[in-house]
Amino acid sequence: KQEVTQIPAALSVPEGENLVLNCSFTDSAIYNLQWFRQDPGKGLTSLLLIQSSQREQTSGRLNASLDKSSGRSTLYIAASQPGDSATYLCAGNYGGATNKLIFGTGTLLAVQP
Amino acid sequence: DAGVTQSPTHLIKTRGQQVTLRCSPKSGHDTVSWYQQALGQGPQFIFQYYEEEERQRGNFPDRFSGHQFPNYSSELNVNALLLGDSALYLCASSWRAGAKNIQYFGAGTRLSVL
Repeated sequence: KQEVTQIPAALSVPEGENLVLNCSFTDSAIYNLQWFRQDPGKGLTSLLLIQSSQREQTSGRLNASLDKSSGRSTLYIAASQPGDSATYLCAGNYGGATNKLIFGTGTLLAVQP
Repeated sequence: DAGVTQSPTHLIKTRGQQVTLRCSPKSGHDTVSWYQQALGQGPQFIFQYYEEEERQRGNFPDRFSGHQFPNYSSELNVNALLLGDSALYLCASSWRAGAKNIQYFGAGTRLSVL
């Protein structure tokens, strides 16, 4: 069964700290992996998409890595800011006839000013 | 360029009722997927529509049905509502089905079943 797990479930850090969010997936035959941000009660904003042939992707202060062999992805946030406070979700895409996403349960991040 | 739009934003129903949620895909997109997100959980795939047909379905009962119109917009229908159907329903669109095509999400419809 294809499952995605995120650890920790919640994280609180002081402003300015660098942090890492973890995502694990059970089936290494992943086609791509996507990181999303979700603000309370809102929809999903795509942050980064990593194809299975890539090792990492960067956007501003965000860097996401993908290690298929170990079934892991990490999202690195540099110099965190209070505006980064949100829930971060990772989702795996295993290809096939559709681009169905399998989501983790998310990490709730609070950046304290 | 409008993104993915969903209506209504909030909805309150009672058990046993039926509900219809609507989604307009991003301009240029022809594929619509629906997800259910219960409180504190990640979104769960309900089904995907492409060329007005259901292409794949997640582990949801037949009470959940959908439709795609010729203009690519989509509806999600839920019959005989249960308390457990209370959730945020998210619509995502992409150009063609297929793993390499990125999905863009709408803001969701919050359904409360009393």
